[in-house]
Amino acid sequence: GAVVSQHPSWVICKSGTSVKIECRSLDFQATTMFWYRQFPKQSLMLMATSNEGSKATYEQGVEKDKFLINHASLTLSTLTVTSAHPEDSSFYICSATWTSGGFSSYNEQFFGPGTRLTVL
Amino acid sequence: QKEVEQNSGPLSVPEGAIASLNCTYSDRGSQSFFWYRQYSGKSPELIMSIYSNGDKEDGRFTAQLNKASQYVSLLIRDSQPSDSATYLCAVNNIMDSSYKLIFGSGTRLLVRP
Repeated sequence: GAVVSQHPSWVICKSGTSVKIECRSLDFQATTMFWYRQFPKQSLMLMATSNEGSKATYEQGVEKDKFLINHASLTLSTLTVTSAHPEDSSFYICSATWTSGGFSSYNEQFFGPGTRLTVL
Repeated sequence: QKEVEQNSGPLSVPEGAIASLNCTYSDRGSQSFFWYRQYSGKSPELIMSIYSNGDKEDGRFTAQLNKASQYVSLLIRDSQPSDSATYLCAVNNIMDSSYKLIFGSGTRLLVRP
């Protein structure tokens, strides 16, 4: 159980284009999803927290107009990198957790396999 | 600022030995503790969770929690070369309505054949 998928697993795009990454919880309802970015040999960096049906909460320094997050259903969140530039090239990883009655199941987060974005 | 500290390593152990990975955290309200394994180029994988003081064993893995000392550790018995990875410690205060995990920067483990 607790399987999270991401699509695509890798993408190459030209500078200035937009890229959408999907994150799906396959066997549970994910009321909260998280988007992380990880540069080579660096730590995970939380970009934003996404709750179903509401606006995402972005971490300090993350441009919300550049990284658009939508969490329209309990099993799907999307991250759109708008007007991508080479410095946006990174490994983007989503994770998901579920909550019940306002409390999560100890806040375990299950990660998707990640999406490697290369912007030329 | 809530922090989770880990030694970056690398921690090098011979095959068959016990690997001991340590983590300290600053938020005394933390109640959930997790160990994730991350292979190079892959996403993190949850391997252990612990919520109460003491030890929790799962196969070759044992998580140890000491809330008074704000310390959590992971022991890997009979280490195998396939255990070579970065191990991330993560903590959470379940009263934090954001449900965020605070991650350490990870300890790189190398198991020598």
